[in-house]
Amino acid sequence: QKEVEQDPGPLSVPEGAIVSLNCTYSNSAFQYFMWYRQYSRKGPELLMYTYSSGNKEDGRFTAQVDKSSKYISLFIRDSQPSDSATYLCAMSAGRGSTLGRLYFGRGTQLTVWP
Amino acid sequence: EAGVTQFPSHSVIEKGQTVTLRCDPISGHDNLYWYRRVMGKEIKFLLHFVKESKQDESGMPNNRFLAERTGGTYSTLKVQPAELEDSGVYFCASSAGIGNTIYFGEGSWLTVV
Repeated sequence: QKEVEQDPGPLSVPEGAIVSLNCTYSNSAFQYFMWYRQYSRKGPELLMYTYSSGNKEDGRFTAQVDKSSKYISLFIRDSQPSDSATYLCAMSAGRGSTLGRLYFGRGTQLTVWP
Repeated sequence: EAGVTQFPSHSVIEKGQTVTLRCDPISGHDNLYWYRRVMGKEIKFLLHFVKESKQDESGMPNNRFLAERTGGTYSTLKVQPAELEDSGVYFCASSAGIGNTIYFGEGSWLTVV
């Protein structure tokens, strides 16, 4: 079983739609949860960062973590064509020096069409 | 401020040859990471430097891979000899401290033919 599971999509939505992206994981030691956005031929860029369970909102983006279900989500409201990218979930156990060791999902390719 | 820079951006080499990838982290970042993404798979951790010391190299696939970070600044990742399955994108990342935001470079695309 993979550490992190993420549906690769592709996901195609019209501009203005609400987008829901999800990941599940198997390692209960994960405490730090991140969403990265990656444009084509670019490196991953940190979008959201959450510690433990709960919600975090930043503009049009909301990250949710449910540790009891080992399930994390990213919601994008009022999606824009500029949101078209691959979205990667990543997580870390966060114990000392291993905090920097991130476990990634495969990424979900999102296209927002005008 | 310059981000994480990687060189070369693309490299095509023959099986059995050697390739050296270079990473310049963000200035002042003590933590430097190497990750790799092979076709169709997720990005996977290779190793972590704190300054010039290898903090965690448990993700290195085998002894054909050698990473160095002399002087705690830039880092190199050498693959010798390269195999077909080494093809993929090699990402370098850095952070100011453990627990701080990890910034990724644009990656070095390696194709072994």
